[in-house]
Amino acid sequence: LAKTTQPISMDSYEGQEVNITCSHNNIATNDYITWYQQFPSQGPRFIIQGYKTKVTNEVASLFIPADRKSSTLSLPRVSLSDTAVYYCLVGDPESNYQLIWGAGTKLIIKP
Amino acid sequence: GAVVSQHPSRVICKSGTSVKIECRSLDFQATTMFWYRQFPKQSLMLMATSNEGSKATYEQGVEKDKFLINHASLTLSTLTVTSAHPEDSSFYICKWRRGHNEQFFGPGTRLTVL
Repeated sequence: LAKTTQPISMDSYEGQEVNITCSHNNIATNDYITWYQQFPSQGPRFIIQGYKTKVTNEVASLFIPADRKSSTLSLPRVSLSDTAVYYCLVGDPESNYQLIWGAGTKLIIKP
Repeated sequence: GAVVSQHPSRVICKSGTSVKIECRSLDFQATTMFWYRQFPKQSLMLMATSNEGSKATYEQGVEKDKFLINHASLTLSTLTVTSAHPEDSSFYICKWRRGHNEQFFGPGTRLTVL
């Protein structure tokens, strides 16, 4: 299972774009990259998933370089309500993936 | 996204008692679901994987006789913490898997054992 490394915490301000990078040097061919958001005392919420290049949905974009050894979650124009912990996970959807959760990145948005 | 519920959302119990946590998928059916726990300021840890109609598969270090999982149907699973002790106090979260890539977490249950 590929281990992921993320910054422990980040600060930003309302209205800014926030980019959180995750390293996964041992990513396997069948692995997908998934990002979750978690608020205190709540279950994680799916944000976005990708395999390569760029994926965009209504809340975020995910950039994955050609070697797939890292990925960047981009949150456009953040607000105070985006303050949460963000987890990057790597795994094969065909198996019991997302077995190992890293520490995540605590994102704090300031007014 | 799909809706998953957990009940209760919070429970406080005395040491030695058993606590049952229900997890339901409200708008879809799925054969595979997972139970996680999360200690304060820590990340999620997978406890077990459960398939409807078969015994759960527990992760290393998780006692199957202490954490009883009953995957009753395609929409309901229960986790029973037997003879709970203060060290079992944690945030328990279920997750349902639908299809190839879709996975949906429940809102979690905060268990406090006195």
